[in-house]
Amino acid sequence: QVHLVESGGRVVQPGGSLRLSCAASGFTFGDFGMHWVRRAPGKGLEWVAFIRYDGTNKQYGDSVKGRFTLSRDNSKSTLYLQMNSLRAEDSAVYYCAKGPFTDAQYYMDVWGRGTTVTVSS
Amino acid sequence: DIVMTQSPLSLPVTPGEPASISCRSSHSLLHNNGYNFLDWYLQKPGQSPQLLVYLGSNRASGVPDRFSGSGSGTDFTLKISRVEAEDVGIYYCMQTLHPPFTFGPGTQVDIK
Repeated sequence: QVHLVESGGRVVQPGGSLRLSCAASGFTFGDFGMHWVRRAPGKGLEWVAFIRYDGTNKQYGDSVKGRFTLSRDNSKSTLYLQMNSLRAEDSAVYYCAKGPFTDAQYYMDVWGRGTTVTVSS
Repeated sequence: DIVMTQSPLSLPVTPGEPASISCRSSHSLLHNNGYNFLDWYLQKPGQSPQLLVYLGSNRASGVPDRFSGSGSGTDFTLKISRVEAEDVGIYYCMQTLHPPFTFGPGTQVDIK
């Protein structure tokens, strides 16, 4: 069964850094593109970033571009999100999500349960 | 960036009755491969989001056939033929044609 388990969320001060991880199982991780999506308290879903199956193409949302970096280790079936210069508005539940088995489509067919990031002094 | 809008933003529904949510994009989502890069997600209370419909009209695995997606270009619709109590939650449309990918604001569906 396909599983995605996020970790790394915690309380961090404004301006701080954090690295989220997403451990995948039940599928050949290196064959699939992966996303991060977040939902801030009282807000809707916001797409954060996407990484191609081989890591050669990365896309970011406007609000995180230049501050967040997406990477993956296919040998460990793990996705990472390095978050720098954190702001209060980055506080959210962060979900990792799996893309389909094709390089040309980007819908998210499996989601993790999420990890909570709180940016506060 | 492509802007997504949804209507209504709140939808009280009666079990057994149909329901419909509209989604519009500021730019055509029709790819030159013939697919519309528009997907629908549902986030039920206390749960992670789940994929309902992908590429405009394809129901995701395990999604009941009372859900259907239609539309092309800039106008899309998600229909529930007969609402059930378990369908409550927030429904989002999302475009994945041009990064940054963008969600609609969400439609809150509750039972009357």
